[in-house]
Amino acid sequence: QKEVEQDPGPLSVPEGAIVSLNCTYSNSAFQYFMWYRQYSRKGPELLMYTYSSGNKEDGRFTAQVDKSSKYISLFIRDSQPSDSATYLCAMSKNSGGSNYKLTFGKGTLLTVNP
Amino acid sequence: SQTIHQWPATLVQPVGSPLSLECTVEGTSNPNLYWYRQAAGRGLQLLFYSVGIGQISSEVPQNLSASRPQDRQFILSSKKLLLSDSGFYLCAWGLGGGTDTQYFGPGTRLTVL
Repeated sequence: QKEVEQDPGPLSVPEGAIVSLNCTYSNSAFQYFMWYRQYSRKGPELLMYTYSSGNKEDGRFTAQVDKSSKYISLFIRDSQPSDSATYLCAMSKNSGGSNYKLTFGKGTLLTVNP
Repeated sequence: SQTIHQWPATLVQPVGSPLSLECTVEGTSNPNLYWYRQAAGRGLQLLFYSVGIGQISSEVPQNLSASRPQDRQFILSSKKLLLSDSGFYLCAWGLGGGTDTQYFGPGTRLTVL
């Protein structure tokens, strides 16, 4: 079983739709959770960072973590064509302050149609 | 603010030729530095990371090597490229510790023919 599973899509939605992107993980040692957005032929950019279970909101984006189910989500409200990109989840373990690595999902390709 | 640069942006090289990709970070000190490769359908593969000058950890045995000659400079090299080395190479920096977030550069697209 892979440590992090992410549906690669592709996911196609109309403009204005609510988008739900998800990742599941198998290792309960993961403590920190991130979402990255990657436009075609560009480097990933950090969108959201969360530590604890619950919701974190930033504008049209909401990151949700459910550690009991080992499940994280990213919701995009009022989706725009400019949100069309690949979304990568990432997570890391707490290794006593000397943790250097992230484990990434493979990414979900999202297209928002005008 | 911090900025990360990579060059070149695009590279086409013949099989068997050498490789040198460079990454530099501005606006921070003693960052952790990372090299990733992203191939279609395979996600991000961590190749090397460095927590300080001259300190390199390799994640995947292959014909690539990395060096960190200065605090904010990270170089990815190969003596002889293989077809399988084609891909999108990304450099990233992070501060480690409690936040563990990483910030990526614009990437280098390498095609080996």
